[in-house]
Amino acid sequence: DAGVIQSPRHEVTEMGQEVTLRCKPISGHDYLFWYRQTMMRGLELLIYFNNNVPIDDSGMPEDRFSAKMPNASFSTLKIQPSEPRDSAVYFCASRRRDLTNTEAFFGQGTRLTVV
Amino acid sequence: AQSVAQPEDQVNVAEGNPLTVKCTYSVSGNPYLFWYVQYPNRGLQFLLKYITGDNLVKGSYGFEAEFNKSQTSFHLKKPSALVSDSALYFCAVRDPNSGYALNFGKGTSLLVTP
Repeated sequence: DAGVIQSPRHEVTEMGQEVTLRCKPISGHDYLFWYRQTMMRGLELLIYFNNNVPIDDSGMPEDRFSAKMPNASFSTLKIQPSEPRDSAVYFCASRRRDLTNTEAFFGQGTRLTVV
Repeated sequence: AQSVAQPEDQVNVAEGNPLTVKCTYSVSGNPYLFWYVQYPNRGLQFLLKYITGDNLVKGSYGFEAEFNKSQTSFHLKKPSALVSDSALYFCAVRDPNSGYALNFGKGTSLLVTP
């Protein structure tokens, strides 16, 4: 398996523009997580899905952020409109539902810069 | 509520010396604990986990961690550090009674000098 795949790896956009980050989880994984990493706040959970259904979106900072998972192999995180303070590395992770609580596998991340 | 603390922003150690990266946690139930490592411009890589059983767990690259319930700690250790171990290390906790996501500490930067 190729692991969790995120695209793009880098995104530079102007303030006010819409940004869409993409994630393909590992095949067969039931859970998908979106995290944001910044120097100030570390790794923050934004939202997670179970079987394509959003379970907990309490970490989504504002209404400008939205996430979807239309099928088991694809998820998007959208920011509209983007602001400079959204600049961060966004990670997607997935894991399998398992009684032994398997670890989550992370993608390489998308480095977002909003200017 | 669940939380995890990594009290050190940075740990410096000479190559060949033992290393310890500290982590304490606070959860309402029995915790599931994890360590991840992040190399520059890379995603997080799983190192090891404690779910139940033996308090000493062994993981990748010669790392191990000891679960100490009385001290609510899960420190990461390695008997002999390598320069290539230099990276950012994250402790994470999950309370099985409150969801399926991991709550991460702020990370500790490990620098191993030759």
